[in-house]
Amino acid sequence: AQTVTQSQPEMSVQEAETVTLSCTYDTSESNYYLFWYKQPPSRQMILVIRQEAYKQQNATENRFSVNFQKAAKSFSLKISDSQLGDTAMYFCAFMSLQGGSEKLVFGKGMKLTVNP
Amino acid sequence: DVKVTQSSRYLVKRTGEKVFLECVQDMDHENMFWYRQDPGLGLRLIYFSYDVKMKEKGDIPEGYSVSREKKERFSLILESASTNQTSMYLCASSLDGRIGPGYTFGSGTRLTVV
Repeated sequence: AQTVTQSQPEMSVQEAETVTLSCTYDTSESNYYLFWYKQPPSRQMILVIRQEAYKQQNATENRFSVNFQKAAKSFSLKISDSQLGDTAMYFCAFMSLQGGSEKLVFGKGMKLTVNP
Repeated sequence: DVKVTQSSRYLVKRTGEKVFLECVQDMDHENMFWYRQDPGLGLRLIYFSYDVKMKEKGDIPEGYSVSREKKERFSLILESASTNQTSMYLCASSLDGRIGPGYTFGSGTRLTVV
């Protein structure tokens, strides 16, 4: 079974700084998807970014980018120019492509606080 | 935009009660999911469904059941609520997570069992 590990339960950063959230995963599959979700205090889970394992190029979405290291099974999220609105829980998630499954396996989450 | 609506934001129920958590999506998505979220444990999959009247167990199905009589509605049922089922429950739907934006989540139901 796949597992997703987020080793840092909590982080804080000053506004406008850059922060990196770490995530590792364990799988024997070669083709899969990885996601980062954000959950602000409103509780609404929002997709931040996704990465297809077959793509070598790291995904980017505005201030958010990933460092995907397939061999190391590492998928970190970098947030540049942090904003107060980035304060939230962040979850790393894995989706297998075997068997047509759409199930997401989540890490335990990490609480990010952006300070003014 | 796809919208996933969970009928209650907060719910308080008594031990032993039968509890229904309702979830409705408005974009004709095939896949629907129920997760439970607890601090320090992340999100854990309870049940999911790929089609009407179809259901599959997730990682923690004990004490729960589900119903999907219509494509847009996926209900989570706690047959006899217990205090260890006090948690945040999140519903999600997806068309095809491999090509789309992944899941769309509801806003969650915080259930307290007393």
